[in-house]
Amino acid sequence: DIQMTQSPSSLSASVGDRVTITCRASRNIRSYLNWYQEKPGKAPKLLIYSASNLQSEVPSRFSASGSGTDFTLTIGSLEPEDFATYYCQQSYDTPITFGQGTRLEIK
Amino acid sequence: QVQLVQSGAEVRKPGASVKVSCTASGYSFTSYYMHWVRRAPGQGLEWMGIINPSTGTTTYREEIQGRVTMTRDTSTSTVYMELSSLRSEDTAVYYCARDHKIIMPDNSFDIWGQGTMVTVSS
Repeated sequence: DIQMTQSPSSLSASVGDRVTITCRASRNIRSYLNWYQEKPGKAPKLLIYSASNLQSEVPSRFSASGSGTDFTLTIGSLEPEDFATYYCQQSYDTPITFGQGTRLEIK
Repeated sequence: QVQLVQSGAEVRKPGASVKVSCTASGYSFTSYYMHWVRRAPGQGLEWMGIINPSTGTTTYREEIQGRVTMTRDTSTSTVYMELSSLRSEDTAVYYCARDHKIIMPDNSFDIWGQGTMVTVSS
């Protein structure tokens, strides 16, 4: 199985900050990497697909990049509704696997 | 409005089976593959498998192969996930999730059900 490792596991930031979350795959997954946002009691929400493509209706302050084994998700200027947990997920091979999550908290 | 609505919470004893439903609306049911994903308490997200609603073809995670069956009913736009020989480790929230890409899956998930809590306890 492809292991996905996110860092940091948690992060404290303020409204207006720029934050970056990283995700590393245990082997080359080309651009088959997706990012999700999850809030308590809700299902995950697709933010980014294929490493860098913004899903419909996702604000443009979210961006992502990377290929191969190293990927990043950046939130350009944090809004109050962005405090949540973020997951990366590889779609290169089955079994599909997720990172352990990065919890973004208000400082 | 595109949505997936899942059946309600279930409690089962070890060794029993459970069948969770996921009813789709607002889009062409047979045009998008459907996945099942679960999260055990305090654990991460675990992909369970995928079904092609058009043909019924399935692929399952190896660790649960033999215990899981995914089916669909095109007349009601519903997919089902049945898990048998339940163990305490199967206690989790189970989600159906639509594949993002039409016709051919890309294994990202753009629409999720609300989740179904399955508790396995004696």
